[in-house]
Amino acid sequence: DIVMTQTPLSLSVTPGQPASISCKSSQSLLHSDGKTYLYWYLQKPGQPPQLLIYEVSNHFSGVPDRFSGSGSGTDFTLKISRVEAEDVGVYYCMQSIQLPGFGQGTKVEIK
Amino acid sequence: QVQLVQSGAEVKKPGASVKVSCKASGYSFTSYGISWVRQAPGQGPEWMGWISAYNGNTNYAQKLQGRITMTTDTSTRTAYMELRSLRSDDTAVYYCARVQYRRLDQWGQGTLVTVSS
Repeated sequence: DIVMTQTPLSLSVTPGQPASISCKSSQSLLHSDGKTYLYWYLQKPGQPPQLLIYEVSNHFSGVPDRFSGSGSGTDFTLKISRVEAEDVGVYYCMQSIQLPGFGQGTKVEIK
Repeated sequence: QVQLVQSGAEVKKPGASVKVSCKASGYSFTSYGISWVRQAPGQGPEWMGWISAYNGNTNYAQKLQGRITMTTDTSTRTAYMELRSLRSDDTAVYYCARVQYRRLDQWGQGTLVTVSS
């Protein structure tokens, strides 16, 4: 099984400041079809996870431009250019090159 | 708009079974798959399995093999997940999610299943 490791596990951010979350996989997420099956989700309190970024860097419909994803192979990053109050919650990375698996989550709170 | 509406909360005794439904609307049901994901209290999401709404093919997480069955009813655009021989560590919120190209892009609201004697 692929292990997804996120850092940090928690983050306290001043509104308007940037934030960055790292996700490392134990195996490459680059498929032979040329796609890299790495996703980012945000789970707000009391809600299901919502897709933010798919295949490393593509915005899902309706996701603000302040969210961006980057990386390749086994190392990936989610960046929020200017954190807003509505961005609080737990962020998960997920791989689906094999049977899907999630990172342990990064809790983002506002200072 | 795309909606996945799940059945209500359940309380079950150890050893019992539970069947959770997920009714889809707003998209072509048979053009997508459905994954089921659960989340135990205070834990991260755990993928349970996937079913093709087109042909009923399934793929289950190894740890649940033998206890889980996923089905769909295309006439009612509803997916079902049945988990048997429930244990206390099956207590979790269970989610269905629409799947295309390995992407879980729309999620149901979740169904709390509590296993307690």
